[in-house]
Amino acid sequence: AQSVTQLGSHVSVSEGALVLLRCNYSSSVPPYLFWYVQYPNQGLQLLLKYTTGATLVKGINGFEAEFKKSETSFHLTKPSAHMSDAAEYFCAVRVNYGGSQGNLIFGKGTKLSVKP
Amino acid sequence: GAGVSQSPSNKVTEKGKDVELRCDPISGHTALYWYRQRLGQGLEFLIYFQGNSAPDKSGLPSDRFSAERTGESVSTLTIQRTQQEDSAVYLCASSLVGGDNDYGYTFGSGTRLTVV
Repeated sequence: AQSVTQLGSHVSVSEGALVLLRCNYSSSVPPYLFWYVQYPNQGLQLLLKYTTGATLVKGINGFEAEFKKSETSFHLTKPSAHMSDAAEYFCAVRVNYGGSQGNLIFGKGTKLSVKP
Repeated sequence: GAGVSQSPSNKVTEKGKDVELRCDPISGHTALYWYRQRLGQGLEFLIYFQGNSAPDKSGLPSDRFSAERTGESVSTLTIQRTQQEDSAVYLCASSLVGGDNDYGYTFGSGTRLTVV
C-alpha cells in the first residue's frame, strides 16, 4: 500500500530564507509524486510532479523537489521565501491499480507561514 | 469547460436531510475523484471514477454516501441523512489519464457543507 508522511504540520520561515518542506513516501512500485499548494480559501493547485526521468523537478513560483529513491523522499524547497508563499502544502503519491492509474493519496499537509 | 466546476459552493443543511453535490469535470478528462477536507485536516479520499465506472469506492465513509457519474461527464455525490460530522469541504478533481503519462489533477473550488 502507498502512503505519504509530511514531517511538520506547521513550518515558519522569515522572508528571504530557505523553505524546506519534508515528504516521505511508501510505495511498493515506482511512485508518481506530487506537490500541491492551497492558498487560503482557494482550491488546490499543482506545484510540481515527478513521474519518470530527471529526479530534480522544477515547478511554479520557484519551487523545486528532488526524488530520492534511497531515502524514499520528495522534499520541496525554495531558495528564498516570499510573503505570498504562505499557504498549505500537500505531498501526494499516486496509487497504481495493476498498472493503471488511480487516485492520489495525500499527506496531512504542512502549513507554511512567512514572517516579514 | 475551462476548469472543474462544483456546485453549490456553500450548502447549509439540517441534520438528517439529504444533500447532493455536483461536479462538472474538464471536458475530455476521463478520471474524476472526490475528496473530503475537514477543518484543519488533510484530504480524505472518497471515490474515484474512470469513465462512469468506479474502480475504487474504498473511501466512502458509510452507506449514507454514494456517487455516480454519467459517461465521462458530470458526477454527483449524495449524502443521505446528514450528520454533523459530515461537515467539511468536498473537493472534486479530474484528470486526463493515459498510459505512462500523468497530467496531475485539476481541482474544483469545493463545496463547503455545514450540517446544523
